[in-house]
Amino acid sequence: DIQMTQSPSSLSASVGDRVTITCRASQTISNYLNWYQQKPGKAPKLLIYAASSLQSGVPSRFSGSGSGADFTLTITSLQPEDFAIYYCQQSYSFPPTFGQGTKVEMK
Amino acid sequence: VQLVESGGGVVQPGRSLRLSCAASGFTFSNYGIHWVRQAPGKGLEWVAVISYDGSKKQYADPVKGRFTISRDNSKNTLYLQMNSLRADDTAVYYCVKDRQVVVTFFDYWGQGTLVTVSS
Repeated sequence: DIQMTQSPSSLSASVGDRVTITCRASQTISNYLNWYQQKPGKAPKLLIYAASSLQSGVPSRFSGSGSGADFTLTITSLQPEDFAIYYCQQSYSFPPTFGQGTKVEMK
Repeated sequence: VQLVESGGGVVQPGRSLRLSCAASGFTFSNYGIHWVRQAPGKGLEWVAVISYDGSKKQYADPVKGRFTISRDNSKNTLYLQMNSLRADDTAVYYCVKDRQVVVTFFDYWGQGTLVTVSS
């Protein structure tokens, strides 16, 4: 199975900050990388697919980049509703696997 | 698009449970559907997938041989039959629709149903 490792596991930030979360795959996965946001008690929500494509309806302050084994999710100006846990997920090979999550907390 | 799971609850170790997922708002028979679970306070774990027509099924190793995914396209419903349940199967189970645009991703998720395996 392909292992996905996110860093950091948690971070503290303030409204308006630029936030960057990284995700590393245990082998190359081209651009088969997706990002999800999960708020407490809710189901995950798709943010980015194919490493850099923004899902319809997702604010443009979210962006993704990377290819191969290293990927980044960036939030350019953190908003109050962005405090949540973020997961990366690879769809290069079965089984689909997720990173352990990055919790974005209020400073 | 709506995915509504049901059938969760408290069950003793070794017993069985069947989850259902009622889909609406899209052409159910055109899409693969997955089950993804999340143990309390933990991350996301993929469980199983069934192809659009039910002809192909794949399972995560921890559930292989114990869980069976199926679908009834005439009823727009997905199922997960869970046998020989163990304490480490305790989780919220999400029904998830997939979509392929070059890559495959999970574009819609249900609200989840909690399964608790405990004596």
